[in-house]
Amino acid sequence: ILNVEQSPQSLHVQEGDSTNFTCSFPSSNFYALHWYRWETAKSPEALFVMTLNGDEKKKGRISATLNTKEGYSYLYIKGSQPEDSATYLCAPLNTGGFKTIFGAGTRLFVKA
Amino acid sequence: DTEVTQTPKHLVMGMTNKKSLKCEQHMGHRAMYWYKQKAKKPPELMFVYSYEKLSINESVPSRFSPECPNSSLLNLHLHALQPEDSALYLCASSQGSQGQKNSPLHFGNGTRLTVT
Repeated sequence: ILNVEQSPQSLHVQEGDSTNFTCSFPSSNFYALHWYRWETAKSPEALFVMTLNGDEKKKGRISATLNTKEGYSYLYIKGSQPEDSATYLCAPLNTGGFKTIFGAGTRLFVKA
Repeated sequence: DTEVTQTPKHLVMGMTNKKSLKCEQHMGHRAMYWYKQKAKKPPELMFVYSYEKLSINESVPSRFSPECPNSSLLNLHLHALQPEDSALYLCASSQGSQGQKNSPLHFGNGTRLTVT
C-alpha cells in the first residue's frame, strides 16, 4: 500500500474540543489497519487494530471507524485534553505486501 | 516504559567507523523490525525478520547490515555511513509475521544516530 494519505497534516484545537482525522488508503487488497499515537520524544504506541469493514473501536475518549470498501478510516477524539497532543499515525497493511507502511501522520496540538 | 529495549540511546560515528545498534525484547515476539525515522517524517521500514530469518529488505544500502542472533535480539551493523544516514533508528517487534492481523508493532525508544 503506497498511497496512504492522512488529513489534516496538523490541527490546533482548544481543550474540550472534539476533533477527527482521516486516513485514506487503496481499498484493494486490504488486510488490516493500525492506528498509532506518537508523542514527542517517545516511541509510537498502537491505539487500534482494525480488520473488518464497519469496525468501530474505542479507548476512553478516542474512537476509530473503518470503511474498507471506500478506503478510509476516521479517528475521533472527544473532549480533547492537552495530553492528547501527539502525532497520530495510520498504518494500513495489504495482503500483497505484509508490510506496515505509515502515513505521514496528523499532528494534534491541544491548547489548555 | 517500553518492552523493547534499544542501545545505545545516542551514537555519534565517523564515516569510516564500524558500529552496531542493538535491540532486545522478551515478549516472545517472533517478528522484529528496523525502521528509520527522519525529522518530521513517519518511520520508514528497512528490514523485517520473521522467525529469525530475514523476510523483507526494503532495498537498504549494504552499509546497513542486520543480524538476528536469536528470537529476542536484533542488531544493525553500520559501516561506512554517510552524513545523510543520520536519523532515529527504531526497532520494533510483533507477535508473529507482519501478516498477522491482530499484531501491531511494539516500538523501542530508538537510537539517535549522528554521522559526522
